[in-house]
Amino acid sequence: QKEVEQNSGPLSVPEGAIASLNCTYSDRGSQSFFWYRQYSGKSPELIMFIYSNGDKEDGRFTAQLNKASQYVSLLIRDSQPSDSATYLCAVEGNQGGKLIFGQGTELSVKP
Amino acid sequence: DVKVTQSSRYLVKRTGEKVFLECVQDMDHENMFWYRQDPGLGLRLIYFSYDVKMKEKGDIPEGYSVSREKKERFSLILESASTNQTSMYLCASTPWGRERDNEQFFGPGTRLTVL
Repeated sequence: QKEVEQNSGPLSVPEGAIASLNCTYSDRGSQSFFWYRQYSGKSPELIMFIYSNGDKEDGRFTAQLNKASQYVSLLIRDSQPSDSATYLCAVEGNQGGKLIFGQGTELSVKP
Repeated sequence: DVKVTQSSRYLVKRTGEKVFLECVQDMDHENMFWYRQDPGLGLRLIYFSYDVKMKEKGDIPEGYSVSREKKERFSLILESASTNQTSMYLCASTPWGRERDNEQFFGPGTRLTVL
């Protein structure tokens, strides 16, 4: 079993819709969770991190964490074509600074 | 702004060659990482280092070695390149101790092709 798993993509949503990206993890002791966005041909950039159960909002982005069920999700409201990218879920590892990444979900927002 | 730079954006090498990939960060970060990224497999950790001259194996260290002689520089070495090492290589850094929000800052990546 992979340590961090994401929806297999690609995920296609129309412009203005809500995009929902999901991620599950296997280590119940994990404390910190991250969502990175990666445009084609570019390196990943951090868009959200969360470490408390519940929701964390930042503009059009909301991260949701449920430690009991071991999943973390990212909602993108009012999706724009510029949101089209691969979204990587990452979970802290057991050594300082180490992250474990999921395989990524490709999101396509159609105008 | 944190800046992580990598020595080359694109590199083409031949099977059996020794390959050096260089990474430099300018924010005095303790931790540095080397990943490779392949379609459908996400980022896989090759090696990481949390101090000068310290190194730890990641998930896929076979065929690679690393060197960290100075805090700002972390080198990935392919002793004898093989075609299955054709990939995108990403370097990242993060400061020590900020474990709850330890954002990793990535370099632009090096796309290595081994012929």
